[in-house]
Amino acid sequence: AQSVAQPEDQVNVAEGNPLTVKCTYSVSGNPYLFWYVQYPNRGLQFLLKYITGDNLVKGSYGFEAEFNKSQTSFHLKKPSALVSDSALYFCAVIPRGGKLIFGQGTELSVKP
Amino acid sequence: DADVTQTPRNRITKTGKRIMLECSQTKGHDRMYWYRQDPGLGLRLIYYSFDVKDINKGEISDGYSVSRQAQAKFSLSLESAIPNQTALYFCATSDASGSIYNEQFFGPGTRLTVL
Repeated sequence: AQSVAQPEDQVNVAEGNPLTVKCTYSVSGNPYLFWYVQYPNRGLQFLLKYITGDNLVKGSYGFEAEFNKSQTSFHLKKPSALVSDSALYFCAVIPRGGKLIFGQGTELSVKP
Repeated sequence: DADVTQTPRNRITKTGKRIMLECSQTKGHDRMYWYRQDPGLGLRLIYYSFDVKDINKGEISDGYSVSRQAQAKFSLSLESAIPNQTALYFCATSDASGSIYNEQFFGPGTRLTVL
């Protein structure tokens, strides 16, 4: 079955420290990969996507993600976390010819 | 995203009632989607529509129906609401031009409680 896993329900980071939110996927063929963020009482907002090409993808708000085909991962990263980055983060994948599949979400908490 | 609006934003209803959630968009996108979000489960696709004459079932369509009244409007109906349909519902749109794998734009969500 095609799936996306976010192994951590919650990630806690101190402001100014680097952050990583993990995502692994299991799909057939080459996937299209996405990260979305959900702030409280808001809809999801697109952060970045990997289609093809450079494995390091840069997105909104200083976030970036690294596609690793051998490890089937697409981890979200930021060099220096802000308190305002605190939100729920979703990894998602579209298998070729398929529909968007979301991970279960990771709650990021950045403390001052 | 203010270009995708959902009404109502909150709704409490009783078991067995029919309820409609509405979605409108001004982005000019052909593709529209309905998802439900449950804690710990992420978002799951209920129905999607690639144009006005195209309606497709998603992962969890049982108990739901949809209507695509126009390019800009996509409604979700619960014919006879039940408590396990209590969830946060999101409408989303995407542009079909260029790539069918374009990112989706989400509305603010409708919080539905079925008592």
